[in-house]
Amino acid sequence: GAGVSQSPSNKVTEKGKDVELRCDPISGHTALYWYRQSLGQGLEFLIYFQGNSAPDKSGLPSDRFSAERTGGSVSTLTIQRTQQEDSAVYLCASSIVSGNTIYFGEGSWLTVV
Amino acid sequence: GQQLNQSPQSMFIQEGEDVSMNCTSSSIFNTWLWYKQDPGEGPVLLIALYKAGELTSNGRLTAQFGITRKDSFLNISASIPSDVGIYFCAGQETGNTPLVFGKGTRLSVIA
Repeated sequence: GAGVSQSPSNKVTEKGKDVELRCDPISGHTALYWYRQSLGQGLEFLIYFQGNSAPDKSGLPSDRFSAERTGGSVSTLTIQRTQQEDSAVYLCASSIVSGNTIYFGEGSWLTVV
Repeated sequence: GQQLNQSPQSMFIQEGEDVSMNCTSSSIFNTWLWYKQDPGEGPVLLIALYKAGELTSNGRLTAQFGITRKDSFLNISASIPSDVGIYFCAGQETGNTPLVFGKGTRLSVIA
């Protein structure tokens, strides 16, 4: 597609449920990033994939968070047993290669009630 | 993890005024980027800087990659109402490290 596509754009879930957020990067981009943005806050790095290398998971806040990237393209961020503090906008971004400019999707707004 | 110090946190300015914001890091970066985020949208790239000392303009926006490679600034000249939003700096140490972001500068423009 023309830009980074994320779905769902909005998700309301009950505390304790699992959620999956999807990111479809720009075609041909090998690097993919997930960030989290809480209300009024900056962007918190979560995880990053570069080609076939092992992902950098250093930003994942707990073991309830995981992400995978299948076939070097689409990525899914999974949050298990959601908590209210997980409520945030989850932003995905991609770049042609690591070190190049990254482009963001419009985010998935997660609300845990 | 790596932190960027971005200032100011927020600014209220009159339309037509110039604006300046900056970011500093404790380590050397190879890349500095400036993004703008409108409500309900993802951040949009404004300016990318790849070389120490580089000064780049994009319309009324000018950004510089500091000589020490530990800082960058963004200037907006003759502000207009549509400049309202949150401006983020972002930096990357090497091609194999993730891009880290400042906490943003929230700009309000009073007509």
